[in-house]
Amino acid sequence: DIVMTQGALPNPVPSGESASITCQSSKSLLHSNGKTYLNWYLQRPGQSPQLLIYWMSTRASGVSDRFSGSGSGTDFTLKISSVEAEDVGVYYCQQFLEYPFTFGSGTKLEIK
Amino acid sequence: EVKLVESGGGLVQPGRSLKLSCAASGFSFNDYWMGWVRQAPGKGLEWIGEINQDSSTINYTPSLKDKFTISRDNAQNTLYLQMSKLGSEDTAIYYCARVPGRYWGQGVMVTVSS
Repeated sequence: DIVMTQGALPNPVPSGESASITCQSSKSLLHSNGKTYLNWYLQRPGQSPQLLIYWMSTRASGVSDRFSGSGSGTDFTLKISSVEAEDVGVYYCQQFLEYPFTFGSGTKLEIK
Repeated sequence: EVKLVESGGGLVQPGRSLKLSCAASGFSFNDYWMGWVRQAPGKGLEWIGEINQDSSTINYTPSLKDKFTISRDNAQNTLYLQMSKLGSEDTAIYYCARVPGRYWGQGVMVTVSS
């Protein structure tokens, strides 16, 4: 299975500051079609996960442009510019290149 | 509006079986792969498996393959998860999702306890 490893945040993050969450995969998620099979989700307290980013860097519809995804084949970053109270929750990366699809362990964001 | 609504959860005794349902609406159900994900209390997300449009391909996380069976009824726009030989480790919120994750249901709680 592909292992997804997420980094921690130096919580709490001051409101208005930027935050970057890292994720590393044990295998390249870059497909021969040129797409990178990585999703980012936010799970707010008590809610279902919400897709933020797919194909490593494409924002899902309705997602604020404060969220951006970047990376290479194995190292990825979700950047949140100017964090707000509504950004609180746990962020997960997920690979969907190979079965079983696997998630990172999650990165918690707290706001000061 | 896309909606996924899980049902069938609850309290079940160890060793027993339970079948969850996920009713889909707002999109052409038979055009999409569908999957199940679970989340134990206070823990992260675990992908259970997924099923393709005509049920000809079903994939499972290897550690769960002998315990869970995914199926679907395209005429009823419904996805199913049959769970057997349940143990306390299966206590979790179970989510259905349209693969690979654009839409999720609200989740249903399954508690395995005597």
